[in-house]
Formats: sequence, C-alpha cells, structure tokens
Amino acid sequence: ETGVTQTPRHLVMGMTNKKSLKCEQHLGHNAMYWYKQSAKKPLELMFVYSLEERVENNSVPSRFSPECPNSSHLFLHLHTLQPEDSALYLCASSQLDPYNEQFFGPGTRLTVL
Amino acid sequence: KNEVEQSPQNLTAQEGEFITINCSYSVGISALHWLQQHPGGGIVSLFMLSSGKKKHGRLIATINIQEKHSSLHITASHPRDSAVYICAGTSGGGADGLTFGKGTHLIIQP
Repeated sequence: ETGVTQTPRHLVMGMTNKKSLKCEQHLGHNAMYWYKQSAKKPLELMFVYSLEERVENNSVPSRFSPECPNSSHLFLHLHTLQPEDSALYLCASSQLDPYNEQFFGPGTRLTVL
Repeated sequence: KNEVEQSPQNLTAQEGEFITINCSYSVGISALHWLQQHPGGGIVSLFMLSSGKKKHGRLIATINIQEKHSSLHITASHPRDSAVYICAGTSGGGADGLTFGKGTHLIIQP
C-alpha cells in the first residue's frame, strides 16, 4: 500500500451505534489531520496530530473522539452521532516542516440514520 | 480567524479555453494550497505556494503576498480537467490545519 488509506470507504450507522474510522499513512509523515466535508459546505478542519500529540481540536463535539496510537495511524471514534454528522470524512498527512504539502486519503462517506 | 474567499463558485467553459480561478485570503495566512477534488471525493494536492509562481504541465499557480491573492490557471483546458478546485490557506506553523475556500466547480465541455 502507498499513500494515505482510509477504511471503511462507506459507513451507515444509527444514532446509537459506536463505530471507528481508520486512517493509515505509508509516507513517513509525522503530522496527521481529520477533515470533514458536509454537503454544500467547505471542507473544515477537525483535529491535528503532531508527533502523535493532539495540537488542535477545532471546536468539535465530544461525540467525535480522535486517537493517534503512532505516527502512521489515526482513528476517529464515533458515538451517538446525529444525522447532521453525515458527511465525507477525510484524513491527511504531512511532514511537520512549515509549508509542506498535505496528502489526502480517499475519505469515508458516513451516513447517520 | 483565517479566511479564504474563492471565485467563481461555478465555471463552465469550452475545451481549449484558458481558465482562471481566484482566491483571496486574510492576514495570518502565509501560504496557499491548490487542491483538486474529483467526483467520489478524492483530493489531490496540485500546488503549495508561499511566493511567486509554480507551473506543472498545463497548470500554473501564482500568489501575490502583498495583495493576499492567488490564482490558478489552466491552459488549453480539456474535459478531464473537470473537477472541483479548492484553495486552502495555512499559517505555515508546522502541523497546521488548512482553512478552505468553498471550491470552484469547473466543467469543460468538449
């Protein structure tokens, strides 16, 4: 595998379910990001991890819980979501140096019923 | 709060036309990314600019730091260029999340 991978690619869940999104990067990067893209809205930053430490939590509700166990893996744990949380969730990675290109995964299309 | 304004939101052109997409950004942003998103959601990074101009194939990106403005140009446009083009700003501080524009939905007709 190369680049940034995300699983699952599609997920349908009920409001009472608990699920996790997984992101894995094979680029040797040391920063990872979660972004959310809702219909008809710009992409928005959710979380940033630098050297496995969370450095930014962009006012995200606590029903979204990120985890970065090592520099190659990033998770987004989901619980008691709302229908308005239905969106495309994108993971990205980069090197820590300023002005570095970010590499995006293919995204997970989440539908909350 | 960093902000990025992008125009136009929608653009339809004929194959071969020269395309320009514009992006203005706020104080606090010191570099601009240009991204391409195809149907299905995958995002590809096209350019990252903190000054000057970059060229890759038929794509050219410029940035004017004083005016806080960047443009993406496509020469000899082709239907396969049809996609959403997104500019995104960063303050450049190491692990820095991006602030995104709303995107430009480009359709190139044969």
